Amino acid sequence: DTGVSQDPRHKITKRGQNVTFRCDPISEHNRLYWYRQTLGQGPEFLTYFQNEAQLEKSRLLSDRFSAERPKGSFSTLEIQRTEQGDSAMYLCASSSQGGGSPLHFGNGTRLTVT
Amino acid sequence: EDQVTQSPEALRLQEGESSSLNCSYTVSGLRGLFWYRQDPGKGPEFLFTLYSAGEEKEKERLKATLTKKESFLHITAPKPEDSATYLCAVQRMYGGATNKLIFGTGTLLAVQP
Repeated sequence: DTGVSQDPRHKITKRGQNVTFRCDPISEHNRLYWYRQTLGQGPEFLTYFQNEAQLEKSRLLSDRFSAERPKGSFSTLEIQRTEQGDSAMYLCASSSQGGGSPLHFGNGTRLTVT
Repeated sequence: EDQVTQSPEALRLQEGESSSLNCSYTVSGLRGLFWYRQDPGKGPEFLFTLYSAGEEKEKERLKATLTKKESFLHITAPKPEDSATYLCAVQRMYGGATNKLIFGTGTLLAVQP
């Protein structure tokens, strides 16, 4: 169990640019989540995949955000036309199938939009 | 609407000074309550899951308890390495296919030597 891996750890971009983040979940986990966390706040749910299917998206998720999980393995989160308000830590988590299973988080990608 | 409220927002303790963190919740059917520890610049690290009122879990100096309205994280004789943000989260029983967690804002714990 190598844990959840996220890349890059840090990303600085200019407003209006597109960015893409990658998440590699724990290999035996079929559920994958993206969360966003700003300073002093708890993680906020963005979207959820079961295998390759995206089954839930937060109402807060702008149309500029898109996530994929091809072949049910790694996932990518893309933000188009970044805004300063997108600056946050983007966290990926995975879990096993059972109800009540804990989510295991990666160490996140810190995005700064200048 | 599901809600998780943690208190206090911040807590400063002397090494060896025991205390408790509170997590109160409202959720339409609780499947589980989760405690996580988060160090600066890192992702949350799973500590405990509690499933029903009266349940208790322990790990080293930490003990988590659950009632129908709140959970406590008791820290006994803390050490400086226990300094971190402690996050509480709930999972709904009828949350559809997802196991998503709804988090509180956390308690920032600082333990001074």
